[in-house]
Amino acid sequence: GNSVTQMEGPVTLSEEAFLTINCTYTATGYPSLFWYVQYPGEGLQLLLKATKADDKGSNKGFEATYRKETTSFHLEKGSVQVSDSAVYFCALSVPPTQGGSEKLVFGKGMKLTVNP
Amino acid sequence: NAGVTQTPKFQVLKTGQSMTLQCAQDMNHEYMSWYRQDPGMGLRLIHYSVGAGITDQGEVPNGYNVSRSTTEDFPLRLLSAAPSQTSVYFCASRFRTGPQSYTFGSGTRLTVV
Repeated sequence: GNSVTQMEGPVTLSEEAFLTINCTYTATGYPSLFWYVQYPGEGLQLLLKATKADDKGSNKGFEATYRKETTSFHLEKGSVQVSDSAVYFCALSVPPTQGGSEKLVFGKGMKLTVNP
Repeated sequence: NAGVTQTPKFQVLKTGQSMTLQCAQDMNHEYMSWYRQDPGMGLRLIHYSVGAGITDQGEVPNGYNVSRSTTEDFPLRLLSAAPSQTSVYFCASRFRTGPQSYTFGSGTRLTVV
């Protein structure tokens, strides 16, 4: 089946620290990969995505590269800010099989707190 | 641009009560879905719809009903609330085709006592 395994945390970092959140996946077919972010009290927002192997998604200083050989999509940021404090979800979607529909499968999420 | 609107934001129910969580989107998205978010579990798909008049079950459908009479609205009904349904519920929508990203509502926090 399709599944996502990610670091669960929680993780606390100081401002300007380097961030890596590991994400690996298992999927049938060729998934698209996503990172979503959930700020306190809000819904999920798309942070970045990649739709094929070796694609790099980037947004707001965050980056993730679709690595098919290691089935990974690790999220990185070189210098985190207090405003990056949130819960981060790795997710995948796989094109539907006959009669089915594409579904989004989430990892369990990782809470990041950045202190000044 | 309202996006995806969920109401109410908070709700407390007694065991056995019924209620409807509302979800509306104004982006002409064909696909709509309901997720529940529980600590340590991530988000799990409850029900989804690929268009008006079409619904299907997700990963955890028991105890919930949905209908899709219009493109814009996708209400989630709890038939007889149980404490195990205490959760945060999110509605999400997207266009039907392509590797699209989803637009999420801001969530409904439900407590069943």
